[in-house]
Amino acid sequence: RKEVEQDPGPFNVPEGATVAFNCTYSNSASQSFFWYRQDCRKEPKLLMSVYSSGNEDGRFTAQLNRASQYISLLIRDSKLSDSATYLCVVKGNNNDMRFGAGTRLTVKP
Amino acid sequence: DTAVSQTPKYLVTQMGNDKSIKCEQNLGHDTMYWYKQDSKKFLKIMFSYNNKELIINETVPNRFSPKSPDKAHLNLHINSLELGDSAVYFCASSHYPSFFYFGPGTRLLVL
Repeated sequence: RKEVEQDPGPFNVPEGATVAFNCTYSNSASQSFFWYRQDCRKEPKLLMSVYSSGNEDGRFTAQLNRASQYISLLIRDSKLSDSATYLCVVKGNNNDMRFGAGTRLTVKP
Repeated sequence: DTAVSQTPKYLVTQMGNDKSIKCEQNLGHDTMYWYKQDSKKFLKIMFSYNNKELIINETVPNRFSPKSPDKAHLNLHINSLELGDSAVYFCASSHYPSFFYFGPGTRLLVL
């Protein structure tokens, strides 16, 4: 089983749609959780951290369920500029970050 | 103000050659990493250094040798390059327990 598993995608949605990505992780000792965004031929960049209580940043909402070892990202009112690959990231107690394979999102006009 | 920089950005070379990639961070972070992103876009950790000390060494061929002369630098030397080494190599840095900052990547193509 992979350490971090994500929806394989791709997701193709119209502008204005709501889209949700899911992620599960295998190491119950994982300490921190993040969503990164990677544009084509660019480096990954932090989108948002994920907190146990859930957190929101504008159109983006992240949720964490430690009991189920599950993380989600919800994007509301999708914009063309949201098109990218979204990476679920889990940080262990060794300070290493383990990445999911990524979910590709394409938002179309 | 580049936070994490890598050189070169592109590297095209022949099989069997030896090459190095350099990474520098000006964020004052204590931990630096090398990640490999293959053709399927999967990012996999290779090495991690904390204060110049090797912390993580994943299952990587010993043709790959990282070197950290100081906290701000982590270089990657690759001996006897193989076709399968073609990938994008990302350097990253972090300061526990914060998140990572990535460099722009080095695109390596082995012919």
